[in-house]
Amino acid sequence: DAGITQSPRHKVTETGTPVTLRCHQTENHRYMYWYRQDPGHGLRLIHYSYGVKDTDKGEVSDGYSVSRSKTEDFLLTLESATSSQTSVYFCAISAPSGGTLRTNTGELFFGEGSRLTVL
Amino acid sequence: AQSVTQPDIHITVSEGASLELRCNYSYGATPYLFWYVQSPGQGLQLLLKYFSGDTLVQGIKGFEAEFKRSQSSFNLRKPSVHWSDAAEYFCAVAFTSGTYKYIFGTGTRLKVLA
Repeated sequence: DAGITQSPRHKVTETGTPVTLRCHQTENHRYMYWYRQDPGHGLRLIHYSYGVKDTDKGEVSDGYSVSRSKTEDFLLTLESATSSQTSVYFCAISAPSGGTLRTNTGELFFGEGSRLTVL
Repeated sequence: AQSVTQPDIHITVSEGASLELRCNYSYGATPYLFWYVQSPGQGLQLLLKYFSGDTLVQGIKGFEAEFKRSQSSFNLRKPSVHWSDAAEYFCAVAFTSGTYKYIFGTGTRLKVLA
C-alpha cells in the first residue's frame, strides 16, 4: 500500500469554526488531491496540487483552501465550517506511470478518509 | 467541459448473472480511464485502468473493461457476479492536459441477489 496518512480520522465541530485536515505521504509523489464523498455525488474534487506551492481548484472548491509547503504534506482548510461541509474527505496521491518507484503507475492511491461532522 | 457520467445509480443482478456497468466521459482527447470499487465503510480499490494499447483491459476479481473511443465509453463487465461483488463502483477519468486531474462519476451501487 502507498504511504498516505490522513488526520484527524474523525472530527466533530460547530458551524463557523475553522478546521484543517492533513494529508501526509511518504511516496514523494508530485500530485496530491482532496476529494469529498457524499451519497449520490460520488467523489468530487475539491483542490489538487501538482507540486510544492502549486495548487489548483477542483469542482467544489468554494469554502475550502489548501496549502502545500512540503512535498509530503497537503493541508485542506475550511475557514468557517458549515453544515453543508459535513462529509467524508479523502486525500489521494498519484504519479505518472514510469520510473522506478512501485507506485509510479498513473493511478490514484487513497488515504483512509476523514469523517467530518459540522453541527 | 470535462465530465464523467455513470447513468445507472443502482443495479441489481442475481448471483451468477453477467454484469455491465456503464461509464461515459466528455473530453477532447483520450484520457486515462479507471474503475474503482468501494465496499461499505471501506476505502477505494482499483479494479483496472486503461492508458493506451489494447482497448480491452483485464482487472482484478474477474472484471474487465472495454474502451470505445467512438462512444467515449469505458464500460465495466463481469461474466458471472458473486455475492461479494456487492459494492459501489466508480468510474474515474484522468485528464492529462498540463496537469493530472482525476474526475469521478457519481457511482453505481450494485446489489447481488442470492
